[in-house]
Amino acid sequence: EDQVTQSPEALRLQEGESSSLNCSYTVSGLRGLFWYRQDPGKGPEFLFTLYSAGEEKEKERLKATLTKKESFLHITAPKPEDSATYLCAVLLEGGGNKLTFGTGTQLKVEL
Amino acid sequence: NAGVTQTPKFRVLKTGQSMTLLCAQDMNHEYMYWYRQDPGMGLRLIHYSVGEGTTAKGEVPDGYNVSRLKKQNFLLGLESAAPSQTSVYFCASSYPPKLMNTEAFFGQGTRLTVV
Repeated sequence: EDQVTQSPEALRLQEGESSSLNCSYTVSGLRGLFWYRQDPGKGPEFLFTLYSAGEEKEKERLKATLTKKESFLHITAPKPEDSATYLCAVLLEGGGNKLTFGTGTQLKVEL
Repeated sequence: NAGVTQTPKFRVLKTGQSMTLLCAQDMNHEYMYWYRQDPGMGLRLIHYSVGEGTTAKGEVPDGYNVSRLKKQNFLLGLESAAPSQTSVYFCASSYPPKLMNTEAFFGQGTRLTVV
């Protein structure tokens, strides 16, 4: 069965304290892996798409990487405004364009 | 440019009542989706559509119906609401998978409570 697992469930960081969020997947035929940010009471906001192992993408303090079994979202020198829930989703071969989501990592960055 | 707009944003229903959630997108996307989000469960796909006039079942379709009469609109119906349908509902839209930019864009959500 296809599975997407995110860890940790929750993470509390001090401002400037860099860390990484993990998304591991066991799927048959990965077409793409997506990262989204979700603020309380809002819909998910698209961050990155990764298509193949070894690929990396960056946006401000965020950097996403992909291997054959997992993806990491690295957060460098985070600020309080980076506090949100980060969702990982996979797009499977032969699955139309349907995303399978993990349950997310809730990040809190404190001053 | 509004993106994906959901109506209403909040609703309280009594068990057995019916309602329709409306989703509208202005990005000319072929694909549209309805998800529900529950604590600890992540986003789960209810129904989706790959084009005007087409619909298909997702992971948790029971108790819901959908229609896609116009390309820009995707409606989600609850014929007889149950407390188990208390959730936050998200609509999303995207380009077809054969294109590279396949990311889905989400609406702001509808918080539904069934009492």
